[in-house]
Amino acid sequence: AQSVTQLGSHVSVSEGALVLLRCNYSSSVPPYLFWYVQYPNQGLQLLLKYTTGATLVKGINGFEAEFKKSETSFHLTKPSAHMSDAAEYFCAVSFSTGTASKLTFGTGTRLQVTL
Amino acid sequence: NAGVTQTPKFRILKIGQSMTLQCAQDMNHNYMYWYRQDPGMGLKLIYYSVGAGITDKGEVPNGYNVSRSTTEDFPLRLELAAPSQTSVYFCASSPRGTFSYEQYFGPGTRLTVT
Repeated sequence: AQSVTQLGSHVSVSEGALVLLRCNYSSSVPPYLFWYVQYPNQGLQLLLKYTTGATLVKGINGFEAEFKKSETSFHLTKPSAHMSDAAEYFCAVSFSTGTASKLTFGTGTRLQVTL
Repeated sequence: NAGVTQTPKFRILKIGQSMTLQCAQDMNHNYMYWYRQDPGMGLKLIYYSVGAGITDKGEVPNGYNVSRSTTEDFPLRLELAAPSQTSVYFCASSPRGTFSYEQYFGPGTRLTVT
């Protein structure tokens, strides 16, 4: 069965600093990987996804992630944090299971951005 | 397009009461999902549907029921509310079930059972 592990339930960075949110997965078949962001009292919004092809994926709001098969990782980065990036971030993995694909989510990482 | 809409936004139930959480999407998506989100636990899939008239259990279906009579609507029913069902519930949809398609989420329903 597939699973997702997010290292660090809380991450705090200074405004302008590098953001690194870690995600590792396990899957017996090639995974499709997603990062979602959840702002306070809102639903989840897709940041970026990896399906096939280029392993470095660029998303919205300056975020990017790199799929590393050898490390089973899909870490999310942003070169310079902004106050508006404060939110909860979820990594998710999916693969087709018969008639429908389902997402398996990590437990989330809350990003705090300080002045 | 309104996307995925959910009602109500908040609800407080007494133990043993019943209620239906409403979910609708106007994107003509075939696939719809119900998740619950508990602090520190991520999202857990409750039920999903691949089209009108077809539903299936997810990871945590106990205590819930669903129906899918139209493409647009996917209500979630709680028959006998229990404190363990206190959670935030999210509905999502996707255009098809292949794993390359993202899921679109509603704003959530915050449910408290006391």
